[in-house]
Amino acid sequence: DVKVTQSSRYLVKRTGEKVFLECVQDMDHENMFWYRQDPGLGLRLIYFSYDVKMKEKGDIPEGYSVSREKKERFSLILESASTNQTSMYLCASSYPSGHTDTQYFGPGTRLTVL
Amino acid sequence: SQKIEQNSEALNIQEGKTATLTCNYTNYSPAYLQWYRQDPGRGPVFLLLIRENEKEKRKERLKVTFDTTLKQSLFHITASQPADSATYLCALGPGGGNKLTFGTGTQLKVEL
Repeated sequence: DVKVTQSSRYLVKRTGEKVFLECVQDMDHENMFWYRQDPGLGLRLIYFSYDVKMKEKGDIPEGYSVSREKKERFSLILESASTNQTSMYLCASSYPSGHTDTQYFGPGTRLTVL
Repeated sequence: SQKIEQNSEALNIQEGKTATLTCNYTNYSPAYLQWYRQDPGRGPVFLLLIRENEKEKRKERLKVTFDTTLKQSLFHITASQPADSATYLCALGPGGGNKLTFGTGTQLKVEL
C-alpha cells in the first residue's frame, strides 16, 4: 500500500514563528503536492513538485515556500506564521502524468497559529 | 475562471437507499474526473476515476457517470450504509497535466 506520512497531526505555533511541515512518501512517486483545506473553500493547492529540486506555485503560494531535496520528502515552510495560516495542511503524492494521476494523501496536519 | 460545484448542503438519506451526489463544472475541459472520500480529520482517499470518453464506471456499490456535454458527473452509492457517511470530493484532471482541481465536497449522512 502507498503510504504518505506527515510529521505532525497537530501543531500549535505563535505568530511570526518559522514553521516546517514534513511529508514523506514511500512509493517512489515523482509528483508531490501541498494543499490547505478550509471549511467552505475546499482543497487549495499551495505548491507542487514534479521532481527533486523542482517546484511550481499552486493557487495560493503567498506566505509559503517548499523544499524537495530528496524524491521521497517534500517540506512546506511558513517563513513567518500568521493567524490566517491556521488550517488543515494535506500532503499528497502521485505518479507522473500519463498514469491515472491518482493522488495519495497523508493524514493531514492541523496547524493553529496563535 | 474554472469552477467546480458540489452541493454544499449535507445529504441525509436512509440506510439501504441510493445516494446520488453531483459535481458540476464550468470553464474546464477535463481529461478525466475522480471521486475521493474524506472522513473527519483524515486525508481524502481515492475511490474511482472516469475518463472523458467513458460514460459510466462501476466499482462494487459505487457508480460514476460523466457527461461532458452537461459538464456534470453523478456519483451513486447503492444500498447505502451508515459506514458510507463521509464527505465526497470530486476532482478534475487536465490532459497532459498532473494537477487536480478539487470541488469543496458534499457531506453524506446515512441514517439507520
